[in-house]
Amino acid sequence: GESVGLHLPTLSVQEGDNSIINCAYSNSASDYFIWYKQESGKGPQFIIDIRSNMDKRQGQRVTVLLNKTVKHLSLQIAATQPGDSAVYFCAESPSGGYNKLIFGAGTRLAVHP
Amino acid sequence: DSGVTQTPKHLITATGQRVTLRCSPRSGDLSVYWYQQSLDQGLQFLIQYYNGEERAKGNILERFSAQQFPDLHSELNLSSLELGDSALYFCASGKGGSETQYFGPGTRLLVL
Repeated sequence: GESVGLHLPTLSVQEGDNSIINCAYSNSASDYFIWYKQESGKGPQFIIDIRSNMDKRQGQRVTVLLNKTVKHLSLQIAATQPGDSAVYFCAESPSGGYNKLIFGAGTRLAVHP
Repeated sequence: DSGVTQTPKHLITATGQRVTLRCSPRSGDLSVYWYQQSLDQGLQFLIQYYNGEERAKGNILERFSAQQFPDLHSELNLSSLELGDSALYFCASGKGGSETQYFGPGTRLLVL
């Protein structure tokens, strides 16, 4: 079914620590996944994506891990900075669909100095 | 800056009214997607257009409609507005197919 944003969990980390944000997706047929960062008053900003034929993908300071067996996605942020404070959304694209994205509820990341 | 532009940034109107939100996609992108973000429903897909034609429909109310013009900009029309339509409306663009969608800054709609 559709993921809805009724609750917004918060992850609090110290500046310089690594952050791990988790996401459970809903459709086992989804073949494309994206992480977005949304700062207050702004639109979602693309961070990193991964296709279902991969388990891991790395970007600059970010890594996405995909576990299709348990339908789980995670975003790892290395050396978290105050500028990383935002709400993070995972999104999935159902296989065979026309690129409709289904968004998770989001996780708020709070970075403390 | 994603390259996707949306106007207006803010819109305040009354119940029963009609508004039009506008979106210009990134250069080269043929697909435009509309999403609604409200506090209790999160980000919800409304509708997608590809090169002028409707391609996919999500949870879009019958009071809402959209279109994509030959220059690829898109408009989302919201009519008979209700208090519950107050939300952020985002447009995203992409090349179409399983590829990244880039979001605009959104239009914040407040229905009083």
